[in-house]
Amino acid sequence: DAGVIQSPRHEVTEMGQEVTLRCKPISGHDYLFWYRQTMMRGLELLIYFNNNVPIDDSGMPEDRFSAKMPNASFSTLKIQPSEPRDSAVYFCASSPRTGGRNTIYFGEGSWLTVV
Amino acid sequence: TQLLEQSPQFLSIQEGENLTVYCNSSSVFSSLQWYRQEPGEGPVLLVTVVTGGEVKKLKRLTFQFGDARKDSSLHITAAQPGDTGLYLCAVGDYGGSQGNLIFGKGTKLSVKP
Repeated sequence: DAGVIQSPRHEVTEMGQEVTLRCKPISGHDYLFWYRQTMMRGLELLIYFNNNVPIDDSGMPEDRFSAKMPNASFSTLKIQPSEPRDSAVYFCASSPRTGGRNTIYFGEGSWLTVV
Repeated sequence: TQLLEQSPQFLSIQEGENLTVYCNSSSVFSSLQWYRQEPGEGPVLLVTVVTGGEVKKLKRLTFQFGDARKDSSLHITAAQPGDTGLYLCAVGDYGGSQGNLIFGKGTKLSVKP
């Protein structure tokens, strides 16, 4: 079975440019998460959706970040305009249900470098 | 302040050695998970522990949940280069986003042949 699919795997962009990261969750999973990972801060939740509806976006750093989930099989995370401090690995993840005992399945990540 | 403190932050050992890494908190949890993240990949669940004092084994990996359910340890016997990776502990965010997991910063393990 296909896991969580993210694209692009690597992106290098110039400061000020728009960046769009894409995610296809595992079919049948009701929850979709966007995480960001850096050496300094570790894995941080940016936003998560339940049945395509954003539930908690308190982790989104600022208005430059936005996320959408137009249907159950697709989500985007957009950064506009991008800044060097946005450089990180962005993970999309999905899970079939809520709760701390639940397994969250991660994609392979999108490695973003903003120069 | 991090909810979950993991130690050590980095660990470099030779193949065949034993090691233990720790995940500590001042909070009590109903369950705790361990994930392993290999270089260039996303984290993958290893185990979930739910009962205070519980011990679970996964081949050469032994996981223990503290009696008070505030901490956990992961012991690896006879480490192999394939064990190299970032080991993350995680708990459910019951106080905030119900669907979310909160992760520690991890222990980065390097096993040299």
